[in-house]
Amino acid sequence: AQTVTQSQPEMSVQEAETVTLSCTYDTSESDYYLFWYKQPPSRQMILVIRQEAYKQQNATENRFSVNFQKAAKSFSLKISDSQLGDAAMYFCAYRSGNSGYALNFGKGTSLLVTP
Amino acid sequence: GAGVSQSPSNKVTEKGKDVELRCDPISGHTALYWYRQSLGQGLEFLIYFQGNSAPDKSGLPSDRFSAERTGGSVSTLTIQRTQQEDSAVYLCASSKTGIYEKLFFGSGTQLSVL
Repeated sequence: AQTVTQSQPEMSVQEAETVTLSCTYDTSESDYYLFWYKQPPSRQMILVIRQEAYKQQNATENRFSVNFQKAAKSFSLKISDSQLGDAAMYFCAYRSGNSGYALNFGKGTSLLVTP
Repeated sequence: GAGVSQSPSNKVTEKGKDVELRCDPISGHTALYWYRQSLGQGLEFLIYFQGNSAPDKSGLPSDRFSAERTGGSVSTLTIQRTQQEDSAVYLCASSKTGIYEKLFFGSGTQLSVL
C-alpha cells in the first residue's frame, strides 16, 4: 500500500505570515491524486486543495497552494497570510488512479496560529 | 440533508458489548466511506460502498467489524464484542461518483470502550 508521511507533528505560524507543511509519499504508480484536508476541533474534515499527478501546474485555492514535486514524491502545502481560523490538523492524502477508491492519509500536522 | 450526518456523536460502551454507528450521507452521493481515527493517528480506511457494487471491505481490521448500506443511502457500521483498542473516532464520508471527487465528512462518532 502507498504510504504518506508527514514529518512535522506540529507547526506554528504567526498571523499574516506564511507557513509550509510537508508531505511525502511512496508509490510506484504514475496515475494518482493528492489531497490536503483540514480537520478543525469539530472533527469534520474539509478539503483544502487537490492535485492530479499528471498536471505539472501546482494547484492553488485562494491563500492555499501546493508545491508538487513528482520526481521527489513531495506534496507540500503553503498557507499564505495565515489566519486564526487556519488553526487545525492538516492531513495529506493519496489516492491511486488505478486500484481502489480509498484515500491513504498521513498522520497529520497540527497547525497553531498565534496572534 | 445539507451534510453528512453521523450518530451518535459519542458512545461509551463496555468491553464485549456490540455497538452500531450510523451514517446518513449527502443526498445523491453514491460513494460512502468509513474511516477510523485513533488518538494521534491518521485516518485508517475501513470500508467503501459505491452504488450497488459489492463493497470494498479490505480495510476492516477483523471479522468483528461489519457494515451495510441500505437502499444506497444510510449506512451502519457494527462492531461486535468491542475491545478497548476499538476506542477511536469513526468518520463517515460521502462523495459523488468519480475518483477525483472530494469527500464530504461527517463529524464522526467518538467511541470509548471501557
